[in-house]
Amino acid sequence: GDSVTQMEGPVTLSEEAFLTINCTYTATGYPSLFWYVQYPGEGLQLLLKATKADDKGSNKGFEATYRKETTSFHLEKGSVQVSDSAVYFCALRIGGSQGNLIFGKGTKLSVKP
Amino acid sequence: KAGVTQTPRYLIKTRGQQVTLSCSPISGHRSVSWYQQTPGQGLQFLFEYFSETQRNKGNFPGRFSGRQFSNSRSEMNVSTLELGDSALYLCASSLGSAGETQYFGPGTRLLVL
Repeated sequence: GDSVTQMEGPVTLSEEAFLTINCTYTATGYPSLFWYVQYPGEGLQLLLKATKADDKGSNKGFEATYRKETTSFHLEKGSVQVSDSAVYFCALRIGGSQGNLIFGKGTKLSVKP
Repeated sequence: KAGVTQTPRYLIKTRGQQVTLSCSPISGHRSVSWYQQTPGQGLQFLFEYFSETQRNKGNFPGRFSGRQFSNSRSEMNVSTLELGDSALYLCASSLGSAGETQYFGPGTRLLVL
């Protein structure tokens, strides 16, 4: 079935370090891909999305490119801040408006000053 | 524009009881989806309602049910609670059209004793 695999956490980085969180997917159709972020005690916030191959989503310095050939959607940021500490979820959605989100397990990021 | 709101935010119940959670979507959104988040299983899709009709359903037992009202507000009910139902229940709303982003509420944390 359809699934998302994320790198295991936790990931601990120093402020201003480069961040990569790997995400690969398995899907029978042509999914839309998403990154959501969850801050402590809060719900999920959409970070960025891409709806077709080679699309690049970007927001708040984060980027991810939809790679159909490698079925990947890795999240990157050039210089992380302490305020980026959160849990990051990769997700896919198939079936347009009637498709639910399928999430990865989440990757906890801690950024130290 | 107000975001997705969920009530109550926290709930403690005992095994065998039933519980009802409420979700008010963003104004104008007609689709409401429910997800369960647990440390072991991660984020799992429960069901989606669109224009008062269940449009999509995840793989949960019949103890989990929901409904949507004409103003798009949704309720989720869990009957005969089990310890394993302890989780964060997240509601997400969207316009409901193809490709639309889902916006999440802060969640209701349910503890079953």
